[in-house]
Amino acid sequence: SQTIHQWPATLVQPVGSPLSLECTVEGTSNPNLYWYRQAAGRGLQLLFYSIGIDQISSEVPQNLSASRPQDRQFILSSKKLLLSDSGFYLCAWSWTVNYGYTFGSGTRLTVV
Amino acid sequence: AQSVTQLGSHVSVSEGALVLLRCNYSSSVPPYLFWYVQYPNQGLQLLLKYTSAATLVKGINGFEAEFKKSETSFHLTKPSAHMSDAAEYFCAVSENNQGGKLIFGQGTELSVKP
Repeated sequence: SQTIHQWPATLVQPVGSPLSLECTVEGTSNPNLYWYRQAAGRGLQLLFYSIGIDQISSEVPQNLSASRPQDRQFILSSKKLLLSDSGFYLCAWSWTVNYGYTFGSGTRLTVV
Repeated sequence: AQSVTQLGSHVSVSEGALVLLRCNYSSSVPPYLFWYVQYPNQGLQLLLKYTSAATLVKGINGFEAEFKKSETSFHLTKPSAHMSDAAEYFCAVSENNQGGKLIFGQGTELSVKP
């Protein structure tokens, strides 16, 4: 069966510090991968998606970036965090458009 | 572009009462539609999905949803609410393009009163 792992679960970082959140999928190959952000009291905002290694599409201009160095690994990064980067970050994977997503357990990021 | 509107950011029902969470979508082609549930500080879990088969879709935990093309709706229902149903619910529609992106509604928080 397929599983998705996301870590860390919680993170408190000072403004201006770097960020690296990692997501890995097991039990499948060539999945579509997604990063979403959920701000307090708001819906889900798609940040990045990837249909293959080194194929990243950005949905929202911001100071975040994403990389996919391996087929089942998806990394969200920032060189310098802003207060507005605080939120709940969710990674998800999917096969096809009608399959739906399987989400990771999320990372709660607080920038102080 | 496709979009999803969830009517009511907060819904409160009594335990044992009917749950009705509303979702309307906009799409120029037959869409794929999904309902997800999110418990506090957790990821989203798929409740059910419509993928152009039966218009009445049954999901987990006793939930079901009916696809009504004429009303562009995909409302989520459960005949009898349980305390454990208290959570945030998200409706989503797929974009039929490369990447299989889902567009999510803003969510509806369901509270269940004893």
